Amino acid sequence: LAKTTQPISMDSYEGQEVNITCSHNNIATNDYITWYQQFPSQGPRFIIQGYKTKVTNEVASLFIPADRKSSTLSLPRVSLSDTAVYYCLVGDRNTGFQKLVFGTGTRLLVSP
Amino acid sequence: NAGVTQTPKFRVLKTGQSMTLLCAQDMNHEYMYWYRQDPGMGLRLIHYSVGEGTTAKGEVPDGYNVSRLKKQNFLLGLESAAPSQTSVYFCASSYIIGTGKETQYFGPGTRLLVL
Repeated sequence: LAKTTQPISMDSYEGQEVNITCSHNNIATNDYITWYQQFPSQGPRFIIQGYKTKVTNEVASLFIPADRKSSTLSLPRVSLSDTAVYYCLVGDRNTGFQKLVFGTGTRLLVSP
Repeated sequence: NAGVTQTPKFRVLKTGQSMTLLCAQDMNHEYMYWYRQDPGMGLRLIHYSVGEGTTAKGEVPDGYNVSRLKKQNFLLGLESAAPSQTSVYFCASSYIIGTGKETQYFGPGTRLLVL
């Protein structure tokens, strides 16, 4: 089971770039890395997913080094509305849904 | 397209009472999940379903039962509620892209308080 480790919390200011790193030392060959965002009183929302190297979408970028033992979610120019909890997940559908484990996440606070 | 909806939004139960939480999705997804989230914690998987008529246990299944009689609905039942089941319950559904990439879509949650 590929367990993930993230910082419990991070603080930033509006307009800054935020990088949240997730450690997953036991990641398996078939595992994908997925990040979700959760606002208070809402369900998590998919942000980005990747397998290796770099993935970018309209919301964020995901950097995955060659050994895939960690990944970094990058949020460019954050705003107050980016204050949320961010979860890093590692899992492979083909080996069992139980392996899609949400950790405690990283609580990001963006200040003016 | 409503996505994933959950009923009810909030419920108070007494210990020993039973109830059913309903999850509905209109995206024709094969996979559906029930999670619980306790204060300050991440989500924990209770049960899941890989298709109509199938269910399986997740990480914390004890005290819960589920049914998936229709593809669009996934029901979570509590036969005899306990205070330890006070939590926020999230339903999710997903589809698989290509070789295994998966995106889960979550409902708004049901807050359950067991006294």
